Amino acid sequence: EAGVVQSPRYKIIEKKQPVAFWCNPISGHNTLYWYLQNLGQGPELLIRYENEEAVDDSQLPKDRFSAERLKGVDSTLKIQPAELGDSAVYLCASSSENYEQYFGPGTRLTVT
Amino acid sequence: GEDVEQSLFLSVREGDSSVINCTYTDSSSTYLYWYKQEPGAGLQLLTYIFSNMDMKQDQRLTVLLNKKDKHLSLRIADTQTGDSAIYFCAEGNTPLVFGKGTRLSVIA
Repeated sequence: EAGVVQSPRYKIIEKKQPVAFWCNPISGHNTLYWYLQNLGQGPELLIRYENEEAVDDSQLPKDRFSAERLKGVDSTLKIQPAELGDSAVYLCASSSENYEQYFGPGTRLTVT
Repeated sequence: GEDVEQSLFLSVREGDSSVINCTYTDSSSTYLYWYKQEPGAGLQLLTYIFSNMDMKQDQRLTVLLNKKDKHLSLRIADTQTGDSAIYFCAEGNTPLVFGKGTRLSVIA
């Protein structure tokens, strides 16, 4: 069974540029999560989807971050415009039951 | 609010047991988790324990839960060099709240 797929694995952009990350969850997993992981920290939830509905986006900085999961399968997280402080690893996870979350390898973003 | 605390570093010799400790604050968590993160990789779910249990064993891994003290530990028996990684404790139902991780170094 394929795991959670994320792309790209690495992205380097200049500040003020837009960037997008893509995630394909494990087949059959209705719940999808985007987490932010800063260096030396644990992951912090940005947004959680149940199917195509964003049920928890309280920690998503909505002035510059947006996300979508149009058909309830794969998802895109966008930052526009990116700031230096957005440099981090963006992790996607999925679960069928809320107590077993499976993580993708992450996208490491560097903003210069 | 919810908070999870872990020591940042642990160093053990190959073949010894490792014990990674964690304290948490949310007593309503249904499950508590241990994740492993290797360099450049995502988090791998190692094991979890239901909040009404006090121990769970899975091959080399033993999880102990002291609900009264809100203390969780992960014991790795016969630690190998391949166990070198960062180990995260997490609590919560949804969303999960993670600690900062414990970096385990295994000395050959």
